[in-house]
Amino acid sequence: QQQVKQSPQSLIVQKGGISIINCAYENTAFDYFPWYQQFPGKGPALLIAIRPDVSEKKEGRFTISFNKSAKQFSLHIMDSQPGDSATYFCAANVPVYGQNFVFGPGTRLSVLP
Amino acid sequence: KAGVTQTPRYLIKTRGQQVTLSCSPISGHRSVSWYQQTPGQGLQFLFEYFSETQRNKGNFPGRFSGRQFSNSRSEMNVSTLELGDSALYLCASSRGLAGGSNEQFFGPGTRLTVL
Repeated sequence: QQQVKQSPQSLIVQKGGISIINCAYENTAFDYFPWYQQFPGKGPALLIAIRPDVSEKKEGRFTISFNKSAKQFSLHIMDSQPGDSATYFCAANVPVYGQNFVFGPGTRLSVLP
Repeated sequence: KAGVTQTPRYLIKTRGQQVTLSCSPISGHRSVSWYQQTPGQGLQFLFEYFSETQRNKGNFPGRFSGRQFSNSRSEMNVSTLELGDSALYLCASSRGLAGGSNEQFFGPGTRLTVL
């Protein structure tokens, strides 16, 4: 119940295209859902995050769509650029003392020039 | 503002040895979390320290331990190293306990190789 499932494992997109990464969870107590971006040799960096009281959040070319009833959320990268090539992780957290972040397995995105 | 720093960046050890990794959080951050990242298991939470006290612990054996100092710097120790401990060990800091409005900032990690 603590798992977060993520798909696809890898994704190849042409420059200018839309990249879509999906995540699903079971624990309805999760109430904070961040996405992290990780480049080779670097630690993950927070990209965008959402709480389940909103269905969509947009920051620049990055959008999170959240479906509370389906317990699913997704990351959309519009106008994908080669510089977006990285590994993306979704995560979930119950911000209660004694809890910790659970991460999805990651999606390796390659944007072709 | 300096980011999270981790030392050393790379480490090679042999089975049975022990290792200590260090993490300096962002100034003003009081929480430090440690994660293990491997290709097979992904990012797995090890433990979180806040105000020198372990607040959270993941599902790892007792060979993995940590501590936090009064200046919020943290160390992680792995004793009796096994081949499977080869991984990227990431440290993340946040102002308060990680989660919610307390964003986690990750360091570059320490790449540990056990031979």
